[in-house]
Amino acid sequence: DAGITQSPRHKVTETGTPVTLRCHQTENHRYMYWYRQDPGHGLRLIHYSYGVKDTDKGEVSDGYSVSRSKTEDFLLTLESATSSQTSVYFCAISESRGYGYTFGSGTRLTVV
Amino acid sequence: DQQVKQNSPSLSVQEGRISILNCDYTNSMFDYFLWYKKYPAEGPTFLISISSIKDKNEDGRFTVFLNKSAKHLSLHIVPSQPGDSAVYFCAASLIQGAQKLVFGQGTRLTINP
Repeated sequence: DAGITQSPRHKVTETGTPVTLRCHQTENHRYMYWYRQDPGHGLRLIHYSYGVKDTDKGEVSDGYSVSRSKTEDFLLTLESATSSQTSVYFCAISESRGYGYTFGSGTRLTVV
Repeated sequence: DQQVKQNSPSLSVQEGRISILNCDYTNSMFDYFLWYKKYPAEGPTFLISISSIKDKNEDGRFTVFLNKSAKHLSLHIVPSQPGDSAVYFCAASLIQGAQKLVFGQGTRLTINP
């Protein structure tokens, strides 16, 4: 199995609270991504990183921020969680073009 | 604007028969296409891919066909097996360094015994 883990696996939080999801890899891959999966929308890119401290926005980045201070860790933060951010969040890593992504097992986040 | 579309939310196929999953895209700048398979409570796993310079790629029971003029690709599974029951996502990659993938909505495939 590729070395990518997400934590926590499940989280319930209240509206307005900050939440941080963690993605950790042991593959030393350059690229890391955060996606959310919602019914009828498939997987949509939130943010991605192409190196330490190098990040950029995806198509649904509003309300989210990311940080990557080490190659192996990519953090996704919801500054003030809203019910619309209830979703399943997937982290992915890739080495280079042509190999596709390797995904983590996901974090199911519920905002109540 | 959905650049990658899977118009069939679900598909049911008899075991042993062929499963055909379809995907359409709108952006002619996509240069690489992939299929991912997802089981419940797991992350998607890479299945098969195809470069835009090819029209077919085969890997065991799985074949992907690309029709660039129609901006359409399909995944054929022959023969279908119960373990193929999963959600299948089509994805496309833009000609950019970070290999960002754009995903379709997914098709839930059910293989009936």
